[in-house]
Parts: sequence; C-alpha cells; structure tokens
Amino acid sequence: GAVVSQHPSWVICKSGTSVKIECRSLDFQATTMFWYRQFPKQSLMLMATSNEGSKATYEQGVEKDKFLINHASLTLSTLTVTSAHPEDSSFYICSAHDAREVTQETQYFGPGTRLLVL
Amino acid sequence: QKEVEQNSGPLSVPEGAIASLNCTYSDRVSQSFFWYRQYSGKSPELIMSIYSNGDKEDGRFTAQLNKASQYVSLLIRDSQPSDSATYLCAVNRDDKIIFGKGTRLHILP
Repeated sequence: GAVVSQHPSWVICKSGTSVKIECRSLDFQATTMFWYRQFPKQSLMLMATSNEGSKATYEQGVEKDKFLINHASLTLSTLTVTSAHPEDSSFYICSAHDAREVTQETQYFGPGTRLLVL
Repeated sequence: QKEVEQNSGPLSVPEGAIASLNCTYSDRVSQSFFWYRQYSGKSPELIMSIYSNGDKEDGRFTAQLNKASQYVSLLIRDSQPSDSATYLCAVNRDDKIIFGKGTRLHILP
C-alpha cells in the first residue's frame, strides 16, 4: 500500500514553455501533498505544501506565479512550471500524507520527475 | 546555521564493517527525526524514524538520538555494497519534513 505515482517520469521542453507534472496517491487519499525540488548533489528543498480544496502554501523564495499548484481531488496534485527556463531544470519529487493518519510525519514519496529545459 | 547539517562525504566503508552516519539539527523543539536512503536518480525511501532519546534498532540499522546535543546518527552493521547510496537526515518542523544535504556512502567490496 501507500503508493504515490508521478507523471511524467522525465520531460524535455523548450525554454518558455509550460510543463505540468502530476502526483497521484494510488491507494489512499491525501489531503496534503508536498512538492520538492532537488538539484544535482543537493538536498530536497521543499517548494510548497498542497492542500486539497484550498490554496497551496509556498516556502519562502518560491514564486507562486511560476510554480502553479492545483490539488483538486484527494488523490491528485499537479505542479505546473510556467515559462520554464534552463535554471528550472531539476528533479521534482512529490510526497503525500495519508488522510487516515493523525500526524503528517509519514510521507510517501513519488518516484520523481526529471525536467530538462533546453 | 542550516536547519539540518550532515557531512556530505563520501564516506567509504569496507564491506562487512559498520557505517556510521551523523547529523545535527538546529531547532530544539523538533520532536521527530528520520533517516532516508536515496539511490542515484531515485526518490528517497524511509529507513528509520526516531522520536525518543536513545537507540532504535531495525535489522542492520540503528538510529541514535540525543536531543540535548541535537544529534542524530545512523549505524549500518554488516555493510553491503547495496547500502551504497546517499543517506538523508530529516526533521519534522510544523508537519513539514526538512532534509539535510545528505551523506554519500560507498561500501567497498
């Protein structure tokens, strides 16, 4: 159980285009999902917390107009990188919290999406 | 000071030996601590969580927590080549998981 999927697993796009990444909880409902970004040899940096039915909460320094997050259902959150540039090339990872669990300490991670902007 | 600090390594350990990974954290109110393993190109997977001072053992892994020193460690006994990975220390802050930079561990066959 507790499987999280991401789609696509990798994407290459031209500079200036927008890219949408999906994060799905396959066998549980997730009221909260988290989006991370990881540059090579760096740690996972939390970008935002995605809350089902409400606006996402962004970490300091993350542009909410550039990284659009939508959490329209209990099993799906999407991250759209708008007007992507080469510096946005990174490994994007989502995680999800099972709504049945009392605390949000246990997070189930997706396999990640590798984005390359040319 | 970074919230979670780890030596980036690489740490090289002979196969069969004990690998010792260390981590310090800055927020004294943190109550939950985690060790994740991340293989190259993959997302992290949870190995251990620890909440109380002392040791917690799970198979070949032992997590140690010292809240007074704000120190968490992970011991891997009988190290195997498959243990070669980056180990991320993480703490819970306001229901968010904050990660350290990770320590690269290389098990020498």
